[in-house]
Amino acid sequence: GAGVSQSPRYKVAKRGQDVALRCDPISGHVSLFWYQQALGQGPEFLTYFQNEAQLDKSGLPSDRFFAERPEGSVSTLKIQRTQQEDSAVYLCASSGRDRGYTEAFFGQGTRLTVV
Amino acid sequence: EDQVTQSPEALRLQEGESSSLNCSYTVSGLRGLFWYRQDPGKGPEFLFTLYSAGEEKEKERLKATLTKKESFLHITAPKPEDSATYLCAVNDYKLSFGAGTTVTVRA
Repeated sequence: GAGVSQSPRYKVAKRGQDVALRCDPISGHVSLFWYQQALGQGPEFLTYFQNEAQLDKSGLPSDRFFAERPEGSVSTLKIQRTQQEDSAVYLCASSGRDRGYTEAFFGQGTRLTVV
Repeated sequence: EDQVTQSPEALRLQEGESSSLNCSYTVSGLRGLFWYRQDPGKGPEFLFTLYSAGEEKEKERLKATLTKKESFLHITAPKPEDSATYLCAVNDYKLSFGAGTTVTVRA
Protein backbone atom coordinates (compact mmCIF):
# COMPACT_ATOMS: atom_id res chain seq x y z
CA GLY A 1 0.00 0.00 0.00
CA ALA A 2 0.91 3.64 -0.25
CA GLY A 3 1.16 4.28 3.47
CA VAL A 4 1.53 2.59 6.84
CA SER A 5 -1.58 0.59 7.67
CA GLN A 6 -2.64 -0.39 11.19
CA SER A 7 -5.42 -2.66 12.36
CA PRO A 8 -7.72 -2.65 14.12
CA ARG A 9 -8.40 1.11 14.30
CA TYR A 10 -10.20 0.66 17.61
CA LYS A 11 -9.98 -2.08 20.20
CA VAL A 12 -11.90 -2.42 23.45
CA ALA A 13 -10.48 -5.03 25.79
CA LYS A 14 -11.58 -6.23 29.18
CA ARG A 15 -8.94 -5.96 31.86
CA GLY A 16 -6.84 -9.10 31.82
CA GLN A 17 -7.48 -9.86 28.16
CA ASP A 18 -4.63 -10.29 25.65
CA VAL A 19 -4.59 -8.07 22.53
CA ALA A 20 -2.62 -8.06 19.28
CA LEU A 21 -2.14 -4.94 17.16
CA ARG A 22 -0.96 -5.19 13.57
CA CYS A 23 1.21 -2.88 11.48
CA ASP A 24 1.83 -3.07 7.72
CA PRO A 25 4.72 -0.69 6.95
CA ILE A 26 5.46 1.00 3.66
CA SER A 27 6.78 -1.64 1.28
CA GLY A 28 10.56 -1.87 1.36
CA HIS A 29 11.02 0.17 4.51
CA VAL A 30 13.81 -1.24 6.64
CA SER A 31 13.06 0.49 9.94
CA LEU A 32 9.85 0.02 11.92
CA PHE A 33 8.92 1.73 15.17
CA TRP A 34 6.10 1.41 17.70
CA TYR A 35 5.04 4.40 19.79
CA GLN A 36 2.43 4.88 22.51
CA GLN A 37 0.49 8.15 22.67
CA ALA A 38 -1.52 9.15 25.72
CA LEU A 39 -4.23 11.77 25.41
CA GLY A 40 -2.77 15.27 25.08
CA GLN A 41 0.80 14.03 24.91
CA GLY A 42 3.34 13.41 22.19
CA PRO A 43 4.12 9.84 21.11
CA GLU A 44 6.49 7.87 23.35
CA PHE A 45 8.93 5.36 21.88
CA LEU A 46 8.28 1.69 22.60
CA THR A 47 10.47 -0.41 20.31
CA TYR A 48 12.47 -0.45 17.07
CA PHE A 49 13.08 -3.07 14.37
CA GLN A 50 15.63 -3.06 11.61
CA ASN A 51 14.28 -5.65 9.20
CA GLU A 52 13.41 -8.62 11.44
CA ALA A 53 15.83 -7.74 14.21
CA GLN A 54 14.48 -5.97 17.28
CA LEU A 55 17.36 -3.63 18.06
CA ASP A 56 15.80 -1.57 20.84
CA LYS A 57 12.94 -2.47 23.17
CA SER A 58 13.87 -0.08 25.95
CA GLY A 59 10.55 1.76 25.80
CA LEU A 60 8.32 -1.24 26.42
CA PRO A 61 6.66 -0.46 29.78
CA SER A 62 6.58 -3.99 31.15
CA ASP A 63 7.16 -7.62 30.25
CA ARG A 64 3.48 -7.81 29.31
CA PHE A 65 4.39 -6.00 26.10
CA PHE A 66 5.92 -7.99 23.26
CA ALA A 67 6.61 -7.06 19.62
CA GLU A 68 7.71 -9.10 16.65
CA ARG A 69 8.48 -8.67 12.96
CA PRO A 70 9.37 -12.21 11.90
CA GLU A 71 9.81 -11.67 8.15
CA GLY A 72 10.99 -8.09 8.22
CA SER A 73 7.73 -6.60 6.98
CA VAL A 74 4.49 -6.86 9.01
CA SER A 75 4.84 -6.30 12.74
CA THR A 76 2.61 -7.22 15.66
CA LEU A 77 2.53 -5.59 19.08
CA LYS A 78 1.06 -7.89 21.69
CA ILE A 79 -0.08 -6.86 25.14
CA GLN A 80 -0.81 -9.61 27.63
CA ARG A 81 -3.15 -9.30 30.61
CA THR A 82 -4.16 -5.74 29.69
CA GLN A 83 -4.49 -3.13 32.44
CA GLN A 84 -6.37 0.16 32.43
CA GLU A 85 -3.12 2.09 32.22
CA ASP A 86 -2.49 0.44 28.83
CA SER A 87 -5.32 2.51 27.34
CA ALA A 88 -3.72 4.73 24.70
CA VAL A 89 -3.22 5.12 20.97
CA TYR A 90 -0.55 2.81 19.61
CA LEU A 91 1.22 4.20 16.56
CA CYS A 92 3.42 2.38 14.10
CA ALA A 93 5.93 4.19 11.89
CA SER A 94 8.37 3.11 9.21
CA SER A 95 11.32 4.72 7.49
CA GLY A 96 13.37 3.75 4.53
CA ARG A 97 16.87 3.82 5.95
CA ASP A 98 18.85 1.96 8.55
CA ARG A 99 18.80 3.47 12.02
CA GLY A 100 16.44 6.26 11.04
CA TYR A 101 18.06 9.69 10.78
CA THR A 102 15.37 10.46 8.30
CA GLU A 103 11.66 11.07 8.31
CA ALA A 104 9.39 8.36 9.64
CA PHE A 105 5.88 7.87 8.27
CA PHE A 106 3.12 7.03 10.70
CA GLY A 107 -0.01 4.95 10.46
CA GLN A 108 -3.42 6.07 11.73
CA GLY A 109 -2.89 4.28 15.02
CA THR A 110 -4.91 1.80 17.05
CA ARG A 111 -6.89 3.26 19.93
CA LEU A 112 -6.92 0.72 22.75
CA THR A 113 -9.42 1.13 25.56
CA VAL A 114 -9.18 -1.26 28.51
CA VAL A 115 -12.36 -1.49 30.56
CA GLU B 1 18.41 11.88 27.74
CA ASP B 2 16.90 13.96 24.92
CA GLN B 3 14.33 16.53 26.02
CA VAL B 4 11.89 18.48 23.87
CA THR B 5 9.65 21.27 25.18
CA GLN B 6 7.01 22.95 23.06
CA SER B 7 5.25 26.24 23.71
CA PRO B 8 2.60 27.42 23.90
CA GLU B 9 0.42 24.40 24.67
CA ALA B 10 -2.46 25.94 22.73
CA LEU B 11 -2.79 28.80 20.29
CA ARG B 12 -5.99 30.36 19.03
CA LEU B 13 -5.63 32.50 15.93
CA GLN B 14 -7.90 34.51 13.72
CA GLU B 15 -7.69 33.63 10.04
CA GLY B 16 -4.80 35.63 8.56
CA GLU B 17 -3.15 36.27 11.94
CA SER B 18 0.45 35.06 11.66
CA SER B 19 2.21 33.49 14.64
CA SER B 20 5.07 31.23 15.70
CA LEU B 21 5.38 28.00 17.66
CA ASN B 22 8.49 27.22 19.70
CA CYS B 23 10.35 23.96 20.20
CA SER B 24 13.26 23.94 22.65
CA TYR B 25 15.48 20.89 22.75
CA THR B 26 18.33 19.37 24.70
CA VAL B 27 20.23 16.58 22.98
CA SER B 28 23.71 15.12 23.18
CA GLY B 29 24.08 15.41 19.43
CA LEU B 30 21.37 16.59 17.06
CA ARG B 31 20.86 14.21 14.17
CA GLY B 32 17.69 15.86 12.96
CA LEU B 33 14.77 17.94 14.16
CA PHE B 34 11.38 17.00 12.79
CA TRP B 35 8.05 18.77 12.61
CA TYR B 36 4.84 16.78 12.28
CA ARG B 37 1.20 17.77 12.03
CA GLN B 38 -1.43 15.64 13.75
CA ASP B 39 -5.16 15.92 13.14
CA PRO B 40 -7.62 14.45 15.66
CA GLY B 41 -7.90 10.68 15.35
CA LYS B 42 -4.99 10.43 12.92
CA GLY B 43 -1.31 9.63 13.04
CA PRO B 44 1.35 12.33 12.79
CA GLU B 45 1.97 13.60 9.25
CA PHE B 46 5.54 14.51 8.35
CA LEU B 47 6.19 18.19 7.54
CA PHE B 48 9.90 19.05 7.75
CA THR B 49 13.34 17.83 8.70
CA LEU B 50 16.06 20.28 9.79
CA TYR B 51 19.63 19.14 10.36
CA SER B 52 21.79 22.14 11.16
CA ALA B 53 21.55 25.57 12.77
CA GLY B 54 20.52 28.23 10.28
CA GLU B 55 18.60 25.83 8.10
CA GLU B 56 15.09 26.81 6.97
CA LYS B 57 12.34 24.86 5.19
CA GLU B 58 9.04 26.11 3.78
CA LYS B 59 5.80 24.49 2.74
CA GLU B 60 2.79 26.60 1.80
CA ARG B 61 2.03 28.81 4.84
CA LEU B 62 4.52 27.03 7.10
CA LYS B 63 8.17 27.83 7.61
CA ALA B 64 10.49 25.99 9.99
CA THR B 65 13.76 27.39 11.28
CA LEU B 66 16.50 25.94 13.49
CA THR B 67 19.05 27.33 15.94
CA LYS B 68 21.40 25.44 18.24
CA LYS B 69 18.82 25.34 21.03
CA GLU B 70 15.41 25.71 19.46
CA SER B 71 13.26 25.55 16.40
CA PHE B 72 10.37 27.74 15.34
CA LEU B 73 7.41 26.90 13.17
CA HIS B 74 6.05 30.10 11.64
CA ILE B 75 2.50 30.08 10.33
CA THR B 76 1.88 32.94 7.89
CA ALA B 77 -1.68 34.09 7.21
CA PRO B 78 -3.20 30.87 8.57
CA LYS B 79 -6.44 29.38 7.32
CA PRO B 80 -8.93 27.23 9.27
CA GLU B 81 -7.50 24.11 7.60
CA ASP B 82 -4.21 24.78 9.38
CA SER B 83 -5.93 23.89 12.65
CA ALA B 84 -4.11 20.86 14.09
CA THR B 85 -1.61 19.81 16.73
CA TYR B 86 1.96 20.47 15.67
CA LEU B 87 4.57 18.12 17.09
CA CYS B 88 8.30 18.64 17.24
CA ALA B 89 10.75 15.76 17.69
CA VAL B 90 14.49 15.16 17.79
CA ASN B 91 16.07 12.07 16.37
CA ASP B 92 18.64 9.66 17.63
CA TYR B 93 17.26 6.98 15.23
CA LYS B 94 14.17 6.98 17.46
CA LEU B 95 12.09 10.11 17.82
CA SER B 96 11.69 11.98 21.10
CA PHE B 97 8.59 14.14 20.85
CA GLY B 98 7.38 17.22 22.63
CA ALA B 99 3.80 17.37 23.88
CA GLY B 100 2.71 19.48 20.93
CA THR B 101 1.03 22.82 20.31
CA THR B 102 -2.66 22.72 19.42
CA VAL B 103 -3.46 25.45 16.92
CA THR B 104 -7.03 26.58 16.28
CA VAL B 105 -7.64 29.02 13.45
CA ARG B 106 -11.02 30.75 13.42
CA ALA B 107 -12.58 31.99 10.18
